[in-house]
Amino acid sequence: EVQLLESGGGLVQPGGSLRLSCAASGFTFSSYAMSWVRQAPGKGLEWVSGISDSGDTTYYADSVKGRFTISRDNSKNTLYLQMNSLRAEDTAVYYCAKDYSCSGGTCYIPFDYWGQGTLVTVSS
Amino acid sequence: AIRMTQSPSSFSASTGDRVTITCRASQGISSYLAWYQQNPGKAPKLLIFAASTLQSGVPSRFSGSGSGTDFTLTISCLQSEDFATYYCQQYYSYPRTFGQGTKVEIK
Repeated sequence: EVQLLESGGGLVQPGGSLRLSCAASGFTFSSYAMSWVRQAPGKGLEWVSGISDSGDTTYYADSVKGRFTISRDNSKNTLYLQMNSLRAEDTAVYYCAKDYSCSGGTCYIPFDYWGQGTLVTVSS
Repeated sequence: AIRMTQSPSSFSASTGDRVTITCRASQGISSYLAWYQQNPGKAPKLLIFAASTLQSGVPSRFSGSGSGTDFTLTISCLQSEDFATYYCQQYYSYPRTFGQGTKVEIK
């Protein structure tokens, strides 16, 4: 069974830092691109950041570029999101999800697995 | 970034109704379009990918169509469990972008 389990959320002051983790199981983690998606309270979904299967290539939304860093450790089947210089508008539930990617002529189903989410609250 | 615009933002419907939600991309995305259903407090659930391919386990009353810039999600016969919020998303390029969501409420 595929599982994505986020952790690391919590209350942090503006300007502070937090690192989210997403532990993956039930699939070959190193074969898939991954992404972080967030949802502010009562708002819609916002894609935050993505990373290739090898970790060599990363992508960011303009709203977090320069403040957030995505990474992965394929030996530990874990995805990370380092969040620095946090702002009130970063308050949201953060989900990790299996992104769309292709390898060896095979393209995988996009965003078919999501974690349960972890809440990040930025407030003084 | 590619902008995704859904319409309507919300509407009321009755069980048994046929409903259609539209999604427009600000530039062509071929068929790299997914639809999700989300219930309060839950993670999004993939319904359709590649614009019209039904994800495994999703009821056949859901269907998708379109390519290029204009897409639709249709629920042929609305069931009680379908009252939720629906999002489209393009995965043609980064940054991935979502529509603003369409909330389907009970009339």
